Amino acid sequence: GESVGLHLPTLSVQEGDNSIINCAYSNSASDYFIWYKQESGKGPQFIIDIRSNMDKRQGQRVTVLLNKTVKHLSLQIAATQPGDSAVYFCAENMIGGGADGLTFGKGTHLIIQP
Amino acid sequence: EADIYQTPRYLVIGTGKKITLECSQTMGHDKMYWYQQDPGMELHLIHYSYGVNSTEKGDLSSESTVSRIRTEHFPLTLESARPSHTSQYLCASSEYGQGHLHFGNGTRLTVT
Repeated sequence: GESVGLHLPTLSVQEGDNSIINCAYSNSASDYFIWYKQESGKGPQFIIDIRSNMDKRQGQRVTVLLNKTVKHLSLQIAATQPGDSAVYFCAENMIGGGADGLTFGKGTHLIIQP
Repeated sequence: EADIYQTPRYLVIGTGKKITLECSQTMGHDKMYWYQQDPGMELHLIHYSYGVNSTEKGDLSSESTVSRIRTEHFPLTLESARPSHTSQYLCASSEYGQGHLHFGNGTRLTVT
């Protein structure tokens, strides 16, 4: 079946460095992508989204890049802080498909080294 | 911060017990969802609802049932809990036309 996956289960970075979390998707029909952050003991929290008519979208300290040719999505976090420590999930959907069409990846645990 | 609340936060019960996990949202969202998540793993949709009196099964087979009598309330019930039901259960909601979800903080269920 089709799925959304992340390349690394764990990513360790130094505080202050930039973090890049990657995600590969396999459903060519997906045209809407989302990154969620899940801190320990909490539910996932929406970070940023991107539609397939864009290659890049920036938020506050975060940037999402979409490469439709190789079906790859990445989340870049600038100047990583201790509060960024969490599990990050990518999810894919189709625009107008409703959130019941969301498919989640396995998650990358971002660990911040002091 | 999303206004979606789940109770209890933690629950430890014995096999065979009936339990209900509560979920309420104050955002007036029509769509509500239940996901099952093992620690650090991906989320699996087990139930969803498009509105009052609407309930649908998700991708992951589940022995639980749900009801949607009021817009703001979407409880999940297990008639007879088993150790295989041990997991975290996340409730979420969304507006129509919105592709992403607002999540509660989950109920961590342990069945002994």
